[in-house]
Amino acid sequence: NAGVTQTPKFQVLKTGQSMTLQCAQDMNHEYMSWYRQDPGMGLRLIHYSVGAGITDQGEVPNGYNVSRSTTEDFPLRLLSAAPSQTSVYFCASSTTGTGLEKLFFGSGTQLSVL
Amino acid sequence: DAKTTQPNSMESNEEEPVHLPCNHSTISGTDYIHWYRQLPSQGPEYVIHGLTSNVNNRMASLAIAEDRKSSTLILHRATLRDAAVYYCILRRNYGGSQGNLIFGKGTKLSVKP
Repeated sequence: NAGVTQTPKFQVLKTGQSMTLQCAQDMNHEYMSWYRQDPGMGLRLIHYSVGAGITDQGEVPNGYNVSRSTTEDFPLRLLSAAPSQTSVYFCASSTTGTGLEKLFFGSGTQLSVL
Repeated sequence: DAKTTQPNSMESNEEEPVHLPCNHSTISGTDYIHWYRQLPSQGPEYVIHGLTSNVNNRMASLAIAEDRKSSTLILHRATLRDAAVYYCILRRNYGGSQGNLIFGKGTKLSVKP
């Protein structure tokens, strides 16, 4: 099983550029989420989705957009990259968004904004 | 959101048991106790979770206090590969935003050969 797949693994952007981080899962999970992790820190929630067509903001949503047109895909868009968005980004999914279910994480995208 | 408290770091010797504590004094009745670990340069990995009873799987055991205000992740024989940051997180069973995992800084486990 592929699980949760994130692309690209590494990306360098210039300030002001836009890009999309891709996340796909093949487990038919309803719940998906995006986190960022800064050096020496825990993960912080950016956006999440409880099903196709439904998204909501997490703890640090500013500067990011998401959409969920299919169950499988949950892309994260940076509209105008800033150096403060330099971080490692993780996508996660679970069958539902309830405590009974465990989360599966992707391997991450390391983003540098110059 | 209910919070958890973990020691910043712990050390263990290879092939010895490791007990990683977690306090969650404000836990509610619908909160599941989740443990994840993050190996260097990797995404978090699920370890174990439980509600009230102790749980065992191939990776670890989870011991939950009777009042549920604390729990302990037990690695029965630590290996060098177990060196990681371990996160104890509460996940509410309601779904929606209440099902989001809120990460703290976790416990960095070092394993000495």
